[in-house]
Amino acid sequence: DAKTTQPPSMDCAEGRAANLPCNHSTISGNEYVYWYRQIHSQGPQYIIHGLKNNETNEMASLIITEDRKSSTLILPHATLRDTAVYYCIVRTNTGNQFYFGTGTSLTVIP
Amino acid sequence: DVKVTQSSRYLVKRTGEKVFLECVQDMDHENMFWYRQDPGLGLRLIYFSYDVKMKEKGDIPEGYSVSREKKERFSLILESASTNQTSMYLCASSLGDRDRHEQYFGPGTRLTVT
Repeated sequence: DAKTTQPPSMDCAEGRAANLPCNHSTISGNEYVYWYRQIHSQGPQYIIHGLKNNETNEMASLIITEDRKSSTLILPHATLRDTAVYYCIVRTNTGNQFYFGTGTSLTVIP
Repeated sequence: DVKVTQSSRYLVKRTGEKVFLECVQDMDHENMFWYRQDPGLGLRLIYFSYDVKMKEKGDIPEGYSVSREKKERFSLILESASTNQTSMYLCASSLGDRDRHEQYFGPGTRLTVT
């Protein structure tokens, strides 16, 4: 299973873009990259996922490099409510199992 | 909206007790999952289920069992609770469609075993 590497913590000023990196250098061709976040004392929340192309939804944008070995989650205008732990996950191709690492703790500063 | 509910937010049990954690989802999802979350270790998969009466071991199944008698309900059982099972337990569900695999999580149950 491809594993991911994320910085343990990051800060971002309120109103600025938050760019969260993820390394997944052992990803295989048919594995998707997923992003979740977990606000304190809540269950994880799905944000976005992608395979090869960049993706955008109402919450965030996902940029995947051409070689697919890394990706970046972008929160375009971070708010205080975006303070959370962000998980980058690669889905296995043998079933539904996800591997959750320890994520990046993002703090949005007023 | 998908809703995943868990029977308790907080639970305190004694060592050796049998513990049942219940999870219910209302979106007719085929797949259901149990994770535990501990500081510094992230989320770790205990068991998952593709269908009624089907179950698969995750990364850390030892000391746990599961039951899925109905599609909407997935139970995690601690046959004889131990202090090292003190943790946050998270249930999740997802569609069986391989192209749409986002998992929806419940609020979690914080279990303390004394």
